[in-house]
Amino acid sequence: EAQVTQNPRYLITVTGKKLTVTCSQNMNHEYMSWYRQDPGLGLRQIYYSMNVEVTDKGDVPEGYKVSRKEKRNFPLILESPSPNQTSLYFCASSGLGTASNQPQHFGDGTRLSIL
Amino acid sequence: AQKITQTQPGMFVQEKEAVTLDCTYDTSDQSYGLFWYKQPSSGEMIFLIYQGSYDEQNATEGRYSLNFQKARKSANLVISASQLGDSAMYFCAMREGAGSGYSTLTFGKGTMLLVSP
Repeated sequence: EAQVTQNPRYLITVTGKKLTVTCSQNMNHEYMSWYRQDPGLGLRQIYYSMNVEVTDKGDVPEGYKVSRKEKRNFPLILESPSPNQTSLYFCASSGLGTASNQPQHFGDGTRLSIL
Repeated sequence: AQKITQTQPGMFVQEKEAVTLDCTYDTSDQSYGLFWYKQPSSGEMIFLIYQGSYDEQNATEGRYSLNFQKARKSANLVISASQLGDSAMYFCAMREGAGSGYSTLTFGKGTMLLVSP
């Protein structure tokens, strides 16, 4: 089954304690992306990757890091989490190419609470 | 300026009626794609329908159709015969720069739809 898998689904942690949210896709997609969703703001892009070892900042990259060492994995790293990073996070992937009609496949989301 | 504008924070509709969720967009690209996603209370993002900027026909997928008016830069989602399970948040999104390989989606802030019996 084609899917994007995020872990963990829920996490409560404390300020300053490094954490990683993993994301893996089994569709051989080149493009992967992280979004955060906050009430009234919709989804905002944090980072994206066009392929292995190619990453770039989205609209709200501050406080986050990513890596793309393998095509299937795109972890999101919070080196020193702060309460304003409490949010619902989504990983998504899609193919690339000349067609713009490829929908992004989303993971089920990770709800992070930073105390 | 916002690239995707959804002006309705919330909408109410009765079961079996049709409902239109508004979406306007802003781009200078000639080639772009417009998407609608549904987010139920369980939180996952479900792809509903796609419209390409060069598509001459309005997209349809079952009970979902997209009323695409290119000159007005609007891409409204029409849900026919609403069902209780349609209650959810709905997001309009746009992908610009097709052909360059660029694939980022820009989302609107969403419209919460509540379907009553």
